[in-house]
Amino acid sequence: QKEVEQDPGPLSVPEGAIVSLNCTYSNSAFQYFMWYRQYSRKGPELLMYTYSSGNKEDGRFTAQVDKSSKYISLFIRDSQPSDSATYLCAMRSRGGSQGNLIFGKGTKLSVKP
Amino acid sequence: EAGVTQSPTHLIKTRGQQATLRCSPISGHTSVYWYQQALGLGLQFLLWYDEGEERNRGNFPPRFSGRQFPNYSSELNVNALELEDSALYLCASSLVQGAAEAFFGQGTRLTVV
Repeated sequence: QKEVEQDPGPLSVPEGAIVSLNCTYSNSAFQYFMWYRQYSRKGPELLMYTYSSGNKEDGRFTAQVDKSSKYISLFIRDSQPSDSATYLCAMRSRGGSQGNLIFGKGTKLSVKP
Repeated sequence: EAGVTQSPTHLIKTRGQQATLRCSPISGHTSVYWYQQALGLGLQFLLWYDEGEERNRGNFPPRFSGRQFPNYSSELNVNALELEDSALYLCASSLVQGAAEAFFGQGTRLTVV
């Protein structure tokens, strides 16, 4: 089992739809959870960051972490064509030798006008 | 505040040559991560440096090496370049203690011909 699993998509939705993106993980030591957006040929851009469990909201974006299920989600409300990108989940433990970020493979999202 | 900066933006090398990629982290960040993103693949963890020390290494051959300088900037060296080393090389930085978001630079696109 890979440490982080993410459905690669592609996912195509109409403008205005609610988008749900998900990752599962196997390492219970993960404490920090991040979502990145990556446009083609660009570096990943940090969207949301959550420590441990719970929800976090920022504008149209909501990140959820369920540590008991080892499952994280990113919701995008009122999706826009400009949201079309690849979304990467990333996570890591608190420190020590395992403190590097582990990424999912990314979900490619296309929002159609 | 300046973000993570990487240089050069593009690099073309011949098979067998050496490549040197550079990264300047966000001011105050002590951790630097290097990732390889080959076409169609996810981000593969290469190296993690913190406070000048190599903390962890991904599943890459020894010809991938690097270092972190006293000012926390970092260098990635790839020796004996192979065609399959062609990829986008991404650097990210973070604070290890406290807030743990990691921020990426725009990457160096290495092409081996």
